[in-house]
Amino acid sequence: KAGVTQTPRYLIKTRGQQVTLSCSPISGHRSVSWYQQTPGQGLQFLFEYFSETQRNKGNFPGRFSGRQFSNSRSEMNVSTLELGDSALYLCASSLRGGGLQETQYFGPGTRLLVL
Amino acid sequence: QKEVEQNSGPLSVPEGAIASLNCTYSDRGSQSFFWYRQYSGKSPELIMSIYSNGDKEDGRFTAQLNKASQYVSLLIRDSQPSDSATYLCAVRNSGGYQKVTFGTGTKLQVIP
Repeated sequence: KAGVTQTPRYLIKTRGQQVTLSCSPISGHRSVSWYQQTPGQGLQFLFEYFSETQRNKGNFPGRFSGRQFSNSRSEMNVSTLELGDSALYLCASSLRGGGLQETQYFGPGTRLLVL
Repeated sequence: QKEVEQNSGPLSVPEGAIASLNCTYSDRGSQSFFWYRQYSGKSPELIMSIYSNGDKEDGRFTAQLNKASQYVSLLIRDSQPSDSATYLCAVRNSGGYQKVTFGTGTKLQVIP
């Protein structure tokens, strides 16, 4: 089975721009979670989608948004980029996202640099 | 209090020794616990999952869970230089649509 894929892998943007990141989960997985990872804060939960609905949301400003399509692929968008948004953005997929013994599998990440 | 706490390290152990990584969590109702390994510049990969009190062994890795003490640990026996990485503890919280919360990770250095 192919793993979780994320595109693009690297991105350079300037302050004020917006960016869209894409994630394709493992085939059959319907839950997609997004995380931001920075050296100082570690892995911070952004949001989780299941069946095209956002089920969980972390403590991030409204500039961070996401969506999920009927094929479970997900996108996240960051508008009005700030320098502090520079980070590794990780997508993780799981079957349903709520099972007790369910495991999340991570994609390779998108490294975003905001100048 | 952070939801999931880990010592950031670095934890340095000689090759062949046992590395012991620790994690505490605050949500007493948490049911699922995971250890991920993350090499520099790479994404996290799952090493172990544990759901009930006690020990769970998989090769050189042993996860230990003590729900009463809200403590989970990872032992790596016969540590190898290739084990040098950051180890992330993750906890699935209780409640509906359980969210997974990660600790900030412990950096392990295995010295040849």
